[in-house]
Amino acid sequence: GAVVSQHPSWVICKSGTSVKIECRSLDFQATTMFWYRQFPKQSLMLMATSNEGSKATYEQGVEKDKFLINHASLTLSTLTVTSAHPEDSSFYICSASGSGVGYNEQFFGPGTRLTVL
Amino acid sequence: GNSVTQMEGPVTLSEEAFLTINCTYTATGYPSLFWYVQYPGEGLQLLLKATKADDKGSNKGFEATYRKETTSFHLEKGSVQVSDSAVYFCALVSNSGNTPLVFGKGTRLSVIA
Repeated sequence: GAVVSQHPSWVICKSGTSVKIECRSLDFQATTMFWYRQFPKQSLMLMATSNEGSKATYEQGVEKDKFLINHASLTLSTLTVTSAHPEDSSFYICSASGSGVGYNEQFFGPGTRLTVL
Repeated sequence: GNSVTQMEGPVTLSEEAFLTINCTYTATGYPSLFWYVQYPGEGLQLLLKATKADDKGSNKGFEATYRKETTSFHLEKGSVQVSDSAVYFCALVSNSGNTPLVFGKGTRLSVIA
């Protein structure tokens, strides 16, 4: 149980285009989802926290107009990288926590590798 | 604020060697502590966890004990295998609700045959 999926697993796009990444909790209700960014050989950097039905809370230095997060249901959150540029190339990982699945435990998706040309 | 400090890698060991990866934390209250593992090109997988002082988390031969007196959660394994090669992250989360994990910087382990 407690499986989180991400789609797509990798994407290559041209500079200036927008890319949407989906994060789904498959077998539990995710009241909170977290979006992280990971650069090569580095730790995870929290970008934002989203609670179902509410606006996301962004970490300092993360542009909310650049990284649009929507958490419209208890099983789906989306991250849209708008007008992507090469510096946005990274590994994006979501995690989810919710009721009935491990107190204070977060379950991670497999990640999405974004490459912007 | 809360923080996690873990030993810097990379760590290279021969197969069947003993592994220790140190992790210490700073936190208010009584956080839950975790070790996550990331294999190349993949997301994070929970390896083990402990939610209160003196708890021992264990999985796949790995162990870590929540030591409140030393604010530590060191990861150990008695005999590593090549398949254990990965990056290991120590993390904590406050017990005050759905708050994000705080990660250490990660330690890359390479096990050679």
